[in-house]
Amino acid sequence: AQTVTQSQPEMSVQEAETVTLSCTYDTSESDYYLFWYKQPPSRQMILVIRQEAYKQQNATENRFSVNFQKAAKSFSLKISDSQLGDAAMYFCAYSFMDSNYQLIWGAGTKLIIKP
Amino acid sequence: GAGVSQSPSNKVTEKGKDVELRCDPISGHTALYWYRQSLGQGLEFLIYFQGNSAPDKSGLPSDRFSAERTGGSVSTLTIQRTQQEDSAVYLCASRAMGQLQETQYFGPGTRLLVL
Repeated sequence: AQTVTQSQPEMSVQEAETVTLSCTYDTSESDYYLFWYKQPPSRQMILVIRQEAYKQQNATENRFSVNFQKAAKSFSLKISDSQLGDAAMYFCAYSFMDSNYQLIWGAGTKLIIKP
Repeated sequence: GAGVSQSPSNKVTEKGKDVELRCDPISGHTALYWYRQSLGQGLEFLIYFQGNSAPDKSGLPSDRFSAERTGGSVSTLTIQRTQQEDSAVYLCASRAMGQLQETQYFGPGTRLLVL
């Protein structure tokens, strides 16, 4: 069965510093997709970054980057130059084509930014 | 439309009443998903639509839950005889076919409270 594990219920970081959120997953699929979504108090689930498993290069979106280790089934999110607006719940998620790209979710990490 | 919209934003109902939650996906998106986000269970898949048909209803928790989609666009999730354990945020997402077909875009959710 596919599962996604986020072992850090809460993380805090000083504004302008760098923080890394952890995610591991379990799957027997060879081709799949991994995502980080951000959910601020407004409830809107916002896509932060996506990674295709067959691509070895780590995805990057401005201050957000991932460290994708396929053999270790690890997909961590690094946020550089943390800003107050980054404070939110962060969810790691996984999907693959044969499941109609249904998202399987981790439990989430609450990120606190200290001014 | 520009994004996925959901209504109502919040709904308070009494135990035993029926409720309808609406989702209007991004224009042109043929795939539509409903998820439930609750404190105890995290994020759970409920149902997937491709066009007007629902090939995957495996996540619906009981026969009190049903959903339909008309015109390949708007979807309605109906909960009959609501129970207190139905209290949760109900999220809708849609995705396109073709490029980036694996990426889902979410609405702001409906927070349901059953008293």
